[in-house]
Amino acid sequence: DQQVKQNSPSLSVQEGRISILNCDYTNSMFDYFLWYKKYPAEGPTFLISISSIKDKNEDGRFTVFLNKSAKHLSLHIVPSQPGDSAVYFCAASVSGVGATNKLIFGTGTLLAVQP
Amino acid sequence: DVKVTQSSRYLVKRTGEKVFLECVQDMDHENMFWYRQDPGLGLRLIYFSYDVKMKEKGDIPEGYSVSREKKERFSLILESASTNQTSMYLCASTSQGNTGKNIQYFGAGTRLSVL
Repeated sequence: DQQVKQNSPSLSVQEGRISILNCDYTNSMFDYFLWYKKYPAEGPTFLISISSIKDKNEDGRFTVFLNKSAKHLSLHIVPSQPGDSAVYFCAASVSGVGATNKLIFGTGTLLAVQP
Repeated sequence: DVKVTQSSRYLVKRTGEKVFLECVQDMDHENMFWYRQDPGLGLRLIYFSYDVKMKEKGDIPEGYSVSREKKERFSLILESASTNQTSMYLCASTSQGNTGKNIQYFGAGTRLSVL
């Protein structure tokens, strides 16, 4: 059973426009969410995260929104740049005493930013 | 900066060979993880370790074993490589800290081909 889902395998946007990547989860115990970016032949790099006590976190061009009631989060990239072209993975975890620090990853969305 | 180093970027092995994938981190992290990444399947957890000589099975441990004799090093072993183990293998580490910020740091990956 896929606890973290990224239903769009790919997304194509024009340079300068907004990219919106979506992620849904099923486990209500998840309380920390992350986005990773991965270029081909490289390891994933941490991009931005959000705790379940917040509904928005912003870092430069990147903003993550969390809707707990809908069990949905999204990553907004504004403005999109060709260098943003990569696979983006959503991940979730349960924190606190006894937590294993495991991350549950989605299947990824390939973002292509066209010049 | 956290550094997670995987010993090989590319490996080609024959069916039935014993394969060792090595991972070293320099941040004194307690937790280390091995994933494999396959198209359309995202990152799947093979094994993880939360301390020296401790290990836990992930979601897909069959055909793999691990070793953690020192805190900084976590090895993934394919006892008898098979063609369905052709994949990108990713090592990650994170602190045990209870801040709730469960950020895993990844190595560059090892692309393994089993012929």
